[in-house]
Amino acid sequence: GAGVSQSPSNKVTEKGKDVELRCDPISGHTALYWYRQSLGQGLEFLIYFQGNSAPDKSGLPSDRFSAERTGGSVSTLTIQRTQQEDSAVYLCASRSGQWSYEQYFGPGTRLTVT
Amino acid sequence: GQQVMQIPQYQHVQEGEDFTTYCNSSTTLSNIQWYKQRPGGHPVFLIQLVKSGEVKKQKRLTFQFGEAKKNSSLHITATQTTDVGTYFCAGPPGGNQFYFGTGTSLTVIP
Repeated sequence: GAGVSQSPSNKVTEKGKDVELRCDPISGHTALYWYRQSLGQGLEFLIYFQGNSAPDKSGLPSDRFSAERTGGSVSTLTIQRTQQEDSAVYLCASRSGQWSYEQYFGPGTRLTVT
Repeated sequence: GQQVMQIPQYQHVQEGEDFTTYCNSSTTLSNIQWYKQRPGGHPVFLIQLVKSGEVKKQKRLTFQFGEAKKNSSLHITATQTTDVGTYFCAGPPGGNQFYFGTGTSLTVIP
């Protein structure tokens, strides 16, 4: 079946502008993660959604970052007033349930803030 | 805060040599996962270890989870050029967050 998809694949934006990144998880997967990966670095946890529970936002680096998940499926990560340090690859991952740990990653969105 | 460190950061080996990466967490992990990320790609799940002292094998790959559930290792026997990539360990300390290690980048010289 289809894997995790993300759009856009690349986004170049000017400093100060808002951006929206989209993630379509695998159908039926109830858990969804957003991560940030800077060049040559590891993955930084941002936010976690599980079913209809309140999301775990503890990894969001500032209040400029927010995310929502509509209908338990598609998720959008929004970055307001982008800064150059926001430049990174933003990865989304889904897994089938609360007790299944394997995460399936999307191809990521490469964000460049100029 | 929670930290998951991996060593070495980079490793260059001749094809056919063995390779090991070590993962150390500052806190106990409920389980440990390993992912591989090819250059330009996204992380792909390799395996999960849950039990203290657990050892699992996948062909030339051997994974171990430490007795204290704070460290893990991945050993590749007789590396091949297809093994090139960055290997990450990851684990949940018990909550929702997943802490990824700093990664070990493997280069295999033909």
